[in-house]
Amino acid sequence: GAVVSQHPSRVICKSGTSVKIECRSLDFQATTMFWYRQFPKQSLMLMATSNEGSKATYEQGVEKDKFLINHASLTLSTLTVTSAHPEDSSFYICSAGTGAGYTFGSGTRLTVV
Amino acid sequence: GDSVTQMEGPVTLSEEAFLTINCTYTATGYPSLFWYVQYPGEGLQLLLKATKADDKGSNKGFEATYRKETTSFHLEKGSVQVSDSAVYFCALRPRPNTGNQFYFGTGTSLTVIP
Repeated sequence: GAVVSQHPSRVICKSGTSVKIECRSLDFQATTMFWYRQFPKQSLMLMATSNEGSKATYEQGVEKDKFLINHASLTLSTLTVTSAHPEDSSFYICSAGTGAGYTFGSGTRLTVV
Repeated sequence: GDSVTQMEGPVTLSEEAFLTINCTYTATGYPSLFWYVQYPGEGLQLLLKATKADDKGSNKGFEATYRKETTSFHLEKGSVQVSDSAVYFCALRPRPNTGNQFYFGTGTSLTVIP
């Protein structure tokens, strides 16, 4: 079946630094990738939709200059949290697919200290 | 707007107990409804889905029926096993769908003890 690899699974970084999270579709080409964020005890919230070769579409309230998304190929999308702050600590998860179906990555637990 | 409300956890059950995790939704149109499961250290996996009213999704002994009149999609299993310990997410995908996005509930953590 379709497999999505997300890396890293956990990361701790210092306030003010940037962190890159990768989302790879291993055995299929994903025309669309989604990035979600989950705050403790809250729902998964869509941050942005990423289509290969074009700029990501960000949801209202999501800072595009802070959460940089790059979808340079049909198998890789990256989310970079720039100048991270403690309030950016959260669980980030991607999903990838073609419209016929979507597969989720295992998520990344980001802790900013 | 569209949203999903899911029973809060954590839920702890003994092996072979009956499981119900409640899920209700708010949506315009006729959404598709899903249950996803996340085992420790793994990604979300589709457990079951239903695309129209009165459809019953089922997989691995789990069932959920799309109830339009009560806007619900409760997850049930008659006899849980230790291996069912995971986090369960209820989700909807709006129709007509302009973005292929999902709306998720908060997730319910289930622990099954021997």
